[in-house]
Amino acid sequence: AQTVTQSQPEMSVQEAETVTLSCTYDTSENNYYLFWYKQPPSRQMILVIRQEAYKQQNATENRFSVNFQKAAKSFSLKISDSQLGDTAMYFCAFEGMRTSGSRLTFGEGTQLTVNP
Amino acid sequence: KAGVTQTPRYLIKTRGQQVTLSCSPISGHRSVSWYQQTPGQGLQFLFEYFSETQRNKGNFPGRFSGRQFSNSRSEMNVSTLELGDSALYLCASSFTTSGYTDTQYFGPGTRLTVL
Repeated sequence: AQTVTQSQPEMSVQEAETVTLSCTYDTSENNYYLFWYKQPPSRQMILVIRQEAYKQQNATENRFSVNFQKAAKSFSLKISDSQLGDTAMYFCAFEGMRTSGSRLTFGEGTQLTVNP
Repeated sequence: KAGVTQTPRYLIKTRGQQVTLSCSPISGHRSVSWYQQTPGQGLQFLFEYFSETQRNKGNFPGRFSGRQFSNSRSEMNVSTLELGDSALYLCASSFTTSGYTDTQYFGPGTRLTVL
C-alpha cells in the first residue's frame, strides 16, 4: 500500500515571499502520478500541479513548481510570490498507474497562511 | 465546460437513517470517485465507478455503497448512519479509462452531519 506523509501541519509566509511545502511518499510502483491540491476555506479541492514519475523534468505552473526526487521519494511544492489567495490547506496526493482506475492516496495536509 | 457538481451541499440526518448523495461529473468524464474527509482520518478513498461498474473500493463497511448511471452520474448511499459518518463527502471525476489514468477534478462536496 502507498503512503503519503506531510510533516508540516502548518506554515506561514509573508505576501510576495517564497515558501516550500514538503511531501514524502512510499510505494513499490515505478510508474505513478503525484499531485498537489489546495483546499481553501470554501472546501473546494483545486488541482495545483501534477507530476508524472517517468518525467525527469519538474512540473511548473506559473508561480507553482515542484522538486521531484524520485529516488528519495520526495515531492515538494514551491510557491513563489505568495499571494493572500494562496491561503489554503495543501494536500499532496499519489496515484499509481499499475492499479487500474482512479484511486488517490492523500497526505495529512499542510495549512498555509499568507500574511499581508 | 461545467465542473463537477454535487447535491445536496448540506445535509443533516439522525443516527439510523440512510442518505443518498449525488454527483454529476464533468462532461465526457466516465470515471467517478468518492472520498470522505474528516478531521480525524483526513481524506480517504471510498470507491470508484467506471462505465456503471465499481472498479476500485476503499476500506469502508458495507453500509457505504454507490452506483453509476449510463450518463456517468453517480450516487453514493450510506445506510444506518452513525455519528462517525459526519464528514465532507467529495466526488471527483476524470477522463480515466481502462489502461489510462488521468487527473481527478473535484466537486464542492456534500457536508453531512449526523445527529
